[in-house]
Amino acid sequence: QITLKESGPTLVKPTQTLTLTCTFSGFSLRTTGVGVGWIRQPPGKALEWLALIYWNDDKRYSPSLKSRVTITKDASKNQVVLTMTNMDPVDTATYFCAHGGDAFDIWGQGTMVTVSS
Amino acid sequence: QSVLTQPPSVSGAPGQRVTISCTGTSSNIGAGYDVHWYQQLPGTAPKLLIFANTNRPSGVPDRFSGSRSGTSASLAITGLQAEDEADYYCQSNDSSLSGVFGGGTKVTVL
Repeated sequence: QITLKESGPTLVKPTQTLTLTCTFSGFSLRTTGVGVGWIRQPPGKALEWLALIYWNDDKRYSPSLKSRVTITKDASKNQVVLTMTNMDPVDTATYFCAHGGDAFDIWGQGTMVTVSS
Repeated sequence: QSVLTQPPSVSGAPGQRVTISCTGTSSNIGAGYDVHWYQQLPGTAPKLLIFANTNRPSGVPDRFSGSRSGTSASLAITGLQAEDEADYYCQSNDSSLSGVFGGGTKVTVL
């Protein structure tokens, strides 16, 4: 059974760096073809694709956020970390991590991050 | 502004058939990238409904079907049920090798 869970701060100040951790079980990021992605959803708005990392450390980023976002993995800990710099109130959203590459078949429950001074 | 365009809302009576369109460009759907569909019930994480244009994951009722043609894709729900009331999102990839989502469609069962 695959599960994922996001963790990190619920409140960050403008200009700060956000670090979120996705801890997963039921699969390995050492297995060929496996990927983990990050997606966010501002309150009442649509999903936004952020970043994706594959088993072989291939990384993909949203062009609009590429300068601010970094995705890394620690396969030994079953974790994927997303960092986003220079946070702004418009980055207030629920952040999801999900298993998959092209399509995301299993999602975490999401974690709400508010950006406010 | 989402990269893929979906109608904001569709509605239908129980038992009816509704379709949701997802329009892209030659950089994403039109480039041959697969389209996937998700269902999001209020307050929950999205659930994969259709992957690779037409395929249903195990457990998804066959009332849900997907198609893709040219720069567009569609999700059809036949025999609409009250439990289908939710937000639906399409997703594909684009030439930058990143993913893109649609703006979402709210399905209302009358």
